[in-house]
Amino acid sequence: AQSVTQLDSHVSVSEGTPVLLRCNYSSSYSPSLFWYVQHPNKGLQLLLKYTSAATLVKGINGFEAEFKKSETSFHLTKPSAHMSDAAEYFCVIQGAQKLVFGQGTRLTINP
Amino acid sequence: DSGVTQTPKHLITATGQRVTLRCSPRSGDLSVYWYQQSLDQGLQFLIQYYNGEERAKGNILERFSAQQFPDLHSELNLSSLELGDSALYFCASSEGLTSGNTYEQYFGPGTRLTVT
Repeated sequence: AQSVTQLDSHVSVSEGTPVLLRCNYSSSYSPSLFWYVQHPNKGLQLLLKYTSAATLVKGINGFEAEFKKSETSFHLTKPSAHMSDAAEYFCVIQGAQKLVFGQGTRLTINP
Repeated sequence: DSGVTQTPKHLITATGQRVTLRCSPRSGDLSVYWYQQSLDQGLQFLIQYYNGEERAKGNILERFSAQQFPDLHSELNLSSLELGDSALYFCASSEGLTSGNTYEQYFGPGTRLTVT
């Protein structure tokens, strides 16, 4: 079965510093992976997706993620955090007919 | 704005009652998915419909049911409600089926259900 593990439940960074949100996946075949963001009291928004094309995927709002098969990882990064990035981030893997979500990482941005 | 609409935004009801949550997918999307988000279980897939037919089931209780109508909108029915059913219920839509293809899912704003 497909699964993802988000390694940090909470990450706190200062505004203007880099962001790293870690995700490991488990899959018996080449996976499709996503990162979604959920701002407080909002629905989920797709940040980026990996579908076996380029291993470095660029998303919206300056986020990107790198697929590393050897490490079974799909970490999300951003060079410089902005206050508006404060939200819950979900690493997601596509299973059969459904998406499987990680437990989420809450990102806090300190001024 | 994802283009997926859900009504109502908030719902407060008592234990034992029945409620219906409604979802309208993005224009042109044939697949509708329902998810439940709670503090203890996280985000869980409940059920998927494609063009009116049930296609996949996740962790959906027998007290819950769903359907997709000819105009492609979907309803999630929750009955004999318990306190533990309090959660945020999301609807998502995509162009087609996910199996064998990668279709992005677009999420609605959710319906927050509180059972008292």
